[in-house]
Amino acid sequence: GQSLEQPSEVTAVEGAIVQINCTYQTSGFYGLSWYQQHDGGAPTFLSYNALDGLEETGRFSSFLSRSDSYGYLLLQELQMKDSASYFCALVNDYKLSFGAGTTVTVRA
Amino acid sequence: EAGVVQSPRYKIIEKKQPVAFWCNPISGHNTLYWYRQNLGQGPELLIRYENEEAVDDSQLPKDRFSAERLKGVDSTLKIQPAELGDSAVYLCASSGEREENTGELFFGEGSRLTVL
Repeated sequence: GQSLEQPSEVTAVEGAIVQINCTYQTSGFYGLSWYQQHDGGAPTFLSYNALDGLEETGRFSSFLSRSDSYGYLLLQELQMKDSASYFCALVNDYKLSFGAGTTVTVRA
Repeated sequence: EAGVVQSPRYKIIEKKQPVAFWCNPISGHNTLYWYRQNLGQGPELLIRYENEEAVDDSQLPKDRFSAERLKGVDSTLKIQPAELGDSAVYLCASSGEREENTGELFFGEGSRLTVL
C-alpha cells in the first residue's frame, strides 16, 4: 500500500515563507503532486515533481527527493488568499493517493 | 472553457434513503474519477473510468454504491441505501491526454452529502 504524512496545521503571517513537508511510503510511483483546496472548494492542481529536485511556479515551489521518500511545498510571500488546505499526492498509473492535508492559516 | 460540473452541491437525506450525484467532466477528457473526501481528510478514489469503461473500481463499496458513465461523457454515482458513515463530499475529477502522467486532475466543487 501507500501512505503519506504531512503536518495537520501551519500558521504564519503575511509575507512569510512556509514549508509543508510530505513523507511517504510506497513500492513505486511516477511522481508527487500538490493540490490546494479552499474551504468548500475544489482541489486545484499546483505542481508535479516526476524527478528529484525543485520545481518553481511563481510564489510556490515543490521539491522531491526519492532517496529520502520526502517532498515539500514551499509557499513564499504569503498572502491572505493562501489560507487553504494543501495536499500532497502520490501519482501512480493515473491514480492519485492523497495525504490528509495541511491547513495553512495566514494571519495579518 | 467550462470546468467539471457537479450536482447537487448539497444533499441531506435520512439513512436508508437512496441518493445520486451527477458529474459533467471537461469536454474531451476521457478519464473520469469519483473521489470521496471525509472531513479533515484527503480525497480517496472510489472509481476511475476510461471513456465508458470502469478500469479501477477496487475501492468502490459495491454492496451499496454504483456508478455509470453512459456514452463516455457524464457520470452518475449512486448510493442505495445510504448509511450515516456515507456523509462526506463526493468529488468528481477528469483528465485528458495532455495531463497524462502529469499528476494533474481537474476537480469539481463536489457534492456534500449529509446522512441523518
